[in-house]
Amino acid sequence: QQPVQSPQAVILREGEDAVINCSSSKALYSVHWYRQKHGEAPVFLMILLKGGEQKGHEKISASFNEKKQQSSLYLTASQLSYSGTYFCGGDTGRRALTFGSGTRLQVQP
Amino acid sequence: NAGVTQTPKFQVLKTGQSMTLQCAQDMNHEYMSWYRQDPGMGLRLIHYSVGAGITDQGEVPNGYNVSRSTTEDFPLRLLSAAPSQTSVYFCASSYATGYSYEQYFGPGTRLTVT
Repeated sequence: QQPVQSPQAVILREGEDAVINCSSSKALYSVHWYRQKHGEAPVFLMILLKGGEQKGHEKISASFNEKKQQSSLYLTASQLSYSGTYFCGGDTGRRALTFGSGTRLQVQP
Repeated sequence: NAGVTQTPKFQVLKTGQSMTLQCAQDMNHEYMSWYRQDPGMGLRLIHYSVGAGITDQGEVPNGYNVSRSTTEDFPLRLLSAAPSQTSVYFCASSYATGYSYEQYFGPGTRLTVT
């Protein structure tokens, strides 16, 4: 079963903040976040591991609540380049991901 | 490094035809996966591999076969194409330290089945 993402879409002005949420019904070893621009392949942003370790993008942060199997991606001081569709992906131990349905983010000048 | 390469970039098939989507990586990655992405949707896992000779099914494996005879290559075979298989297909690879890894995606193959 796919992780559930919310919101489905969000529109921001440059400089505003946004939070994207991801919830899994299965226990995850790790949560991954990717951004995809139209017509392109997804690009890695961040990984959050069971136990608290995280690696990724300098200007984007995220959290993973293992008890609730919920992750949130925090986009602060958004830039035009942040526009795209954000996907969370969960790994149940296979080293392959089950992705959520995505959150479309549009940053306007 | 070329990274993850996929061929062809575009393909049109008639219902019932078979074909193989090619995926290759030159990063010596152990793990490889195939995903499909329908318009406006997320990525769904078709098949994955944790090493040469080892493959397993993802969420939507019906109608597809894979094999992994080398570390570099992970072809996806459509056995008898159906319009429901019209999609963009992405191959991805990664090298994991425990469960810490970053998936590198290929550019995708856009497949239309008429």
